[in-house]
Amino acid sequence: GNSVTQMEGPVTLSEEAFLTINCTYTATGYPSLFWYVQYPGEGLQLLLKATKADDKGSNKGFEATYRKETTSFHLEKGSVQVSDSAVYFCALSENTGGFKTIFGAGTRLFVKA
Amino acid sequence: DARVTQTPRHKVTEMGQEVTMRCQPILGHNTVFWYRQTMMQGLELLAYFRNRAPLDDSGMPKDRFSAEMPDATLATLKIQPSEPRDSAVYFCASGPGTSPQFFGPGTRLTVL
Repeated sequence: GNSVTQMEGPVTLSEEAFLTINCTYTATGYPSLFWYVQYPGEGLQLLLKATKADDKGSNKGFEATYRKETTSFHLEKGSVQVSDSAVYFCALSENTGGFKTIFGAGTRLFVKA
Repeated sequence: DARVTQTPRHKVTEMGQEVTMRCQPILGHNTVFWYRQTMMQGLELLAYFRNRAPLDDSGMPKDRFSAEMPDATLATLKIQPSEPRDSAVYFCASGPGTSPQFFGPGTRLTVL
């Protein structure tokens, strides 16, 4: 079945450090891939997405590239801020008209000033 | 900012009681999802609606859970009777397409 695996947290970084959160997936067919962010006390919100191989999704300085050959969708940001502290979820959805989005376990990020 | 709202934010109840959770999706979003989050299972999809019609509720225990959308501004998730294993955070989410865009803040349910 389809699944998403992301690196365990927590990840602790100093402000302005480079961020990478790894995500790999298993899927039949050609899924769409997503990153969601959950700030403390709030619900998840869509951060970025990519719908086909080699697409790069980007938003708020974050980016991730859909790599079909390595079945990966790693999240990166060049310079993190304290306000980026949150839980980040990688997710996939089959592109067959279905509505079932499958989420990874989430990676908690702490950014220190 | 448009937001998904959920009530109540917290609910503590005793085993066997009925629990109703409510959600107001973002206006204009025609897909509504219910998810459950636990430490052990992560985020699980319980049910989803498209244009208020239920499309799939295979993720829910049918004998005790029910989900409805009486109108475009209200989605409900009901558990009757509740059990301790139902303790979790329940999220409603909405989106304009086939995947959730915004989640509500969740209802933290504790069944004693």
